[in-house]
Amino acid sequence: LAKTTQPISMDSYEGQEVNITCSHNNIATNDYITWYQQFPSQGPRFIIQGYKTKVTNEVASLFIPADRKSSTLSLPRVSLSDTAVYYCLVGTSGTYKYIFGTGTRLKVLA
Amino acid sequence: NAGVTQTPKFRILKIGQSMTLQCAQDMNHNYMYWYRQDPGMGLKLIYYSVGAGITDKGEVPNGYNVSRSTTEDFPLRLELAAPSQTSVYFCASSSLAGGPGDTQYFGPGTRLTVL
Repeated sequence: LAKTTQPISMDSYEGQEVNITCSHNNIATNDYITWYQQFPSQGPRFIIQGYKTKVTNEVASLFIPADRKSSTLSLPRVSLSDTAVYYCLVGTSGTYKYIFGTGTRLKVLA
Repeated sequence: NAGVTQTPKFRILKIGQSMTLQCAQDMNHNYMYWYRQDPGMGLKLIYYSVGAGITDKGEVPNGYNVSRSTTEDFPLRLELAAPSQTSVYFCASSSLAGGPGDTQYFGPGTRLTVL
């Protein structure tokens, strides 16, 4: 399983764009990159998933460079309600043992 | 759909007591998982199941047991509770295991304290 490395914490202000980068140097050819969001006292929630280049949905964008050794989750114009822990996971078909790591604790300030 | 439900929400156990954490999903997912999350830490996989009757150990299985007699239910059993098992327990399910389209749906969690 590819190990991921993320910043432990980040602070941002409301209305700003937030970019959280995840390093996964030993990602395998068939691995996909998935991001989850966890609010306090809740289970994680799926945000976005990608394999290469750029993926966008109504919540976030995911940028993956050609070498796929890192990925960046982009949250446009964050609000106080985006304060949460964000986890980057790497896995392939048949992966049962995702490693969540400690994630990135994002705090959005007014 | 209710999604993934867990009971109880909170529980306090004495050392040596036993209990079962219940988990149910109504999405007809084949894959189910149990995680624990200690304060300020990420989630660690305890056990998982790829279908009814099939279970396997995750990262931290010691002190726990599971069974999967139906697609919907995946209970987690603690036989002899220890203070080290104080944690928040999350159950999750998915229709796929890894790869494209894999999304794990998590329950609200059970907060367990062992004194």
